[in-house]
Amino acid sequence: DGGITQSPKYLFRKEGQNVTLSCEQNLNHDAMYWYRQDPGQGLRLIYYSQIVNDFQKGDIAEGYSVSREKKESFPLTVTSAQKNPTAFYLCASRFISLGGNQPQHFGDGTRLSIL
Amino acid sequence: AQRVTQPEKLLSVFKGAPVELKCNYSYSGSPELFWYVQYSRQRLQLLLRHISRESIKGFTADLNKGETSFHLKKPFAQEEDSAMYYCALRTQGAQKLVFGQGTRLTINP
Repeated sequence: DGGITQSPKYLFRKEGQNVTLSCEQNLNHDAMYWYRQDPGQGLRLIYYSQIVNDFQKGDIAEGYSVSREKKESFPLTVTSAQKNPTAFYLCASRFISLGGNQPQHFGDGTRLSIL
Repeated sequence: AQRVTQPEKLLSVFKGAPVELKCNYSYSGSPELFWYVQYSRQRLQLLLRHISRESIKGFTADLNKGETSFHLKKPFAQEEDSAMYYCALRTQGAQKLVFGQGTRLTINP
């Protein structure tokens, strides 16, 4: 979906550095999500947010932090505490306010590598 | 805890042959189930969801609560079906999805 933009596409980090991955959506979606995609492990949820200024930990939140100051933006910070940050990161969003079974829509992803 | 299992990491079939991608879940309530697909160099996208009972690109999936399965089927595979397929579960009232490990489907000419 063109409405979800992740940047940058590729990101390199030195050990000990924090890096922030951007996710912006112009779909007026209520909820936003961050996943980590590793080969053979599928998608694992890092954090999600249903409304502005509120977010919940997913299954693998350790070493990550997020903020949701605006409805359209949900940046993810990979901190130096994340021991194995090399992965493909996917952002997603969906409507909640419409009710029913609204699916998640995904961005193109950011590939993070450690130098 | 809720869990989604896709037992095949890799699946290879010939063009024109039937294809079935297996998905089993563990959840005692009423699940919402989805199939997502990721074609080469494209983003992950929704293929179909059980509540819609629809056929997309010739694929169908039926929820079998007795067997806790949501297998994805297509009677005649096409080369453009080659992709990574993920089964996902949303439990009642939850706002998040639980994904399976994914199955890479390759259709041979």
